[in-house]
Amino acid sequence: QVTLKESGPGILQPSHTLSLTCSFSGFSLSTYGMGVSWIRQPSGKGLEWLASIWWNGNTYNNPSLKSRLTVSKDTSNNQAFLKVTSVDTADTATYYCAHTLYYGYTVLYFDYWGQGVMVTVSS
Amino acid sequence: DIQMTQSPSLLSASVGDRVTLSCKASQNIYKYLNWYQQKLGEAPKLLIYYTNSLQTGIPSRFSGSGSGTDFTLTISSLQPEDVATYYCYQYNSGYTFGAGTKLELK
Repeated sequence: QVTLKESGPGILQPSHTLSLTCSFSGFSLSTYGMGVSWIRQPSGKGLEWLASIWWNGNTYNNPSLKSRLTVSKDTSNNQAFLKVTSVDTADTATYYCAHTLYYGYTVLYFDYWGQGVMVTVSS
Repeated sequence: DIQMTQSPSLLSASVGDRVTLSCKASQNIYKYLNWYQQKLGEAPKLLIYYTNSLQTGIPSRFSGSGSGTDFTLTISSLQPEDVATYYCYQYNSGYTFGAGTKLELK
C-alpha cells in the first residue's frame, strides 16, 4: 500500500526558505518509472504543479518559479524534499506530494497523494 | 507554456444527468491528458489517464475522450458523491493543470 505524508514548518516569514519533507512507503524511488511530485494549492484556488524527481535522479521544475525550487530525495530513507527560496505571501498554500508513475513513453500520472501540509507565509 | 482552459467553471446538474466537462489546450498535447477529482477538504484523486484510460477503482460512469487540443470528461449518470471540482492536467510539455470545473447538484 502506497502512502505519503508531507511535513513542514507551518508558518514562516517572507524572504525565508521553505523546506518540506515527503515521507513515503509502499514504493522505492530507485525503481524505474517511479517519481515524487510536489503540487500546491492556495486556499480556495486551483492546483499548481511545482516539481518532480525521478528514480534516476532527474528533476523537473516548474519554469514559472525559475530557480526558487530545489527538489531532492533520500532513497534509503524513503523521503523526498522540496525547498522554495525567497518565499512571500503568494507561496501560502497547501503543499502536496504525490507518487508519480511514468511508463510506456505515454503514461504519466499522480496516483497517490499525501494529505497535504498547510504553509503560511506571514511576518 | 501550454495553457489549459476548462469550461464551464461552475456546472449545476441533477442526479442521473449526463454531464460533460470540457478542457482545451493552447496547443497540441496529443493524448497526454489526465483528469482529477477533488472533493472538499481532500487531496485530488486520479480518475482518467492518457485521455481515456479509467484508473483502477473508478466507477465506469466516468469516461474521457479527445485528442490534440479538445478533451472531455463525461459522467454518464451523475451521482450525489460526484459533487467535486474536476481538474484536467497535461503532461506533453511541462505539466499544467486547468483551473477546474466545480460540479454541484441542482
